[in-house]
This record gives sequence, C-alpha cells and structure tokens, in this order.
Amino acid sequence: RKEVEQDPGPFNVPEGATVAFNCTYSNSASQSFFWYRQDCRKEPKLLMSVYSSGNEDGRFTAQLNRASQYISLLIRDSKLSDSATYLCVVNWGQNFVFGPGTRLSVLP
Amino acid sequence: GAVVSQHPSWVICKSGTSVKIECRSLDFQATTMFWYRQFPKKSLMLMATSNEGSKATYEQGVEKDKFLINHASLTLSTLTVTSAHPEDSSFYICSARTWTSGRNEQFFGPGTRLTVL
Repeated sequence: RKEVEQDPGPFNVPEGATVAFNCTYSNSASQSFFWYRQDCRKEPKLLMSVYSSGNEDGRFTAQLNRASQYISLLIRDSKLSDSATYLCVVNWGQNFVFGPGTRLSVLP
Repeated sequence: GAVVSQHPSWVICKSGTSVKIECRSLDFQATTMFWYRQFPKKSLMLMATSNEGSKATYEQGVEKDKFLINHASLTLSTLTVTSAHPEDSSFYICSARTWTSGRNEQFFGPGTRLTVL
C-alpha cells in the first residue's frame, strides 16, 4: 500500500461547481497535513495546511479525519483558475510524503 | 510564506557535462532542504534530503555519485548533476523545511528545467 494515495482524476467540472478531493495516508504517526497546488510546468505551492479541527480559507475547506486516516479538500464555486493538480502532503519528522496528485479541470 | 529561490531557472547542456543547481532560502534558515525531480506529466519524485553540515540522504535508486548534493550553509544547498545525459533531462525542484507555528512546513523553489542534448 502506498503511503499517500489520491484519485488521479481528472476531475472535469463546470465553473461554479463544488468539487471534493480525498487523500488517504498509511502512517498513523503522521503529524501534519497539507494541500499543495501545482500548475503545469511550475513548482508546487502551498494551498493550505490542514488542522485537526478542519479549516476554511475562502472557497477552500480542508478536513482531517485521523481515525480513518484521510484528508479532504472541498472547493466551492470553482473558477477556471482553479484548474491545476492538487497534491496531498503528509509529514512526520522531517519526512514529507506527497500523494500522486489529483488533476482538476474547471470548464467554462 | 517563506521564499525559496533556485538558479538557474533553465539550462541546456551537452551530454557529458556537469550542471550545478543552487537552492537558497531567502528569508529564513533551513537546516533541511529536499531535492525532487519531475518528469512531464509524472509525480514529484524525492531524490534526496539535504541536511546542513552533513551528508545527504538519498532515496533508493538515486545515484549519489551522479547527483552530488552539498548543503554547506543554512541558506544554500546545491545539486550537481555530473556527466549529464539526455535521460537526466527533467524538472528539478528544491524545497526547504521551516518550523512555523509549531509545525513543519515546506516551501518550494521555482524549479530548474534541465535539457541535456
């Protein structure tokens, strides 16, 4: 079983739609969790950290379920500019393990 | 977020030459930096973890004699691709680890696109 798993997609959604991504991780000792966004031919950029109580940043909501070892990202009112690959990242110690990413295409 | 720079942003070289890529943390000190490689339409692959003042830890399958890593200061790590060949053409990205608000975070440099002819 891979350490961090994501549905690779692609998710093709119309503008304004709500879309959710899930990510599962295998290491129960994981301490911190993140969602990164990577545009084509660019470096990953931190989208948001994921806190135990869940957190929201504008149209983006992240949730953590430690018991089931999964993280989710919800994007509301999706924009064309949200088209990217979304990477789930899990940290323990100095290790950062990336999921394979989920591709999102928001269509006009 | 913290700022990480990489230089050069792109390089084209002949087969057999060596290429050096620099990764700098501009506004913080990074005891740990990471080097990744990404082929087109593929996932990021961790190559090695670079710790300031000590030898890098390489991932399985990454040749340490081919990909030389030096992390001589808290703000600079370098990756040298020795005797580069066309199959080494890739997008090389570094990142630096910070400790922010009681948690580890990681910030990426803009990447270096290497093309070996």
